[in-house]
Amino acid sequence: GQQLNQSPQSMFIQEGEDVSMNCTSSSIFNTWLWYKQEPGEGPVLLIALYKAGELTSNGRLTAQFGITRKDSFLNISASIPSDVGIYFCAVNSGYALNFGKGTSLLVTP
Amino acid sequence: DTGVSQDPRHKITKRGQNVTFRCDPISEHNRLYWYRQTLGQGPEFLTYFQNEAQLEKSRLLSDRFSAERPKGSFSTLEIQRTEQGDSAMYLCASSLRVIGGDAEETQYFGPGTRLLVL
Repeated sequence: GQQLNQSPQSMFIQEGEDVSMNCTSSSIFNTWLWYKQEPGEGPVLLIALYKAGELTSNGRLTAQFGITRKDSFLNISASIPSDVGIYFCAVNSGYALNFGKGTSLLVTP
Repeated sequence: DTGVSQDPRHKITKRGQNVTFRCDPISEHNRLYWYRQTLGQGPEFLTYFQNEAQLEKSRLLSDRFSAERPKGSFSTLEIQRTEQGDSAMYLCASSLRVIGGDAEETQYFGPGTRLLVL
């Protein structure tokens, strides 16, 4: 599948800090998805983006679909310990989802 | 409202043995997907079904792997003659594909079956 470059690979932050992560590709996509995976569980959809330039929020999470349609950003404001997990960007290739390698987030109280 | 369920959650087997995993999708979802996830990677697509028909298979799905969805509801994934390289988390997802609707419907994932081949 298409390669998605996700960064940073990991983040170690203190509770209350804001977090930013991004995902880029050399190809254009019509949908960008952000999933969160906690240890021992499957990925859970956080935000879906369907339009270039779109900015969508889900509580403390905000994601943007890049204007070029080749990238997306996820921001988490005022992080809390339960934000711990791996955050994956994903794109839809028609039937299969193609995932990035994830950003591992650790939050200390 | 139950989500996607998978059984077993964990499986330890010896190299060369056969294993079978089961996935129960969200009821009324007509599409079912299998993915594999190894440490430090995102899930990778293996195969998917629309109702009982298997429509796509990834190159990752070697001849030792077979998936079925006989009645268009639950699905099984069998790995024959397991190898150590098969050790991974096997994830199932389901979605509702509406005829004439947007092709990019939301996929909901199960908790996965973690396989360890010794």
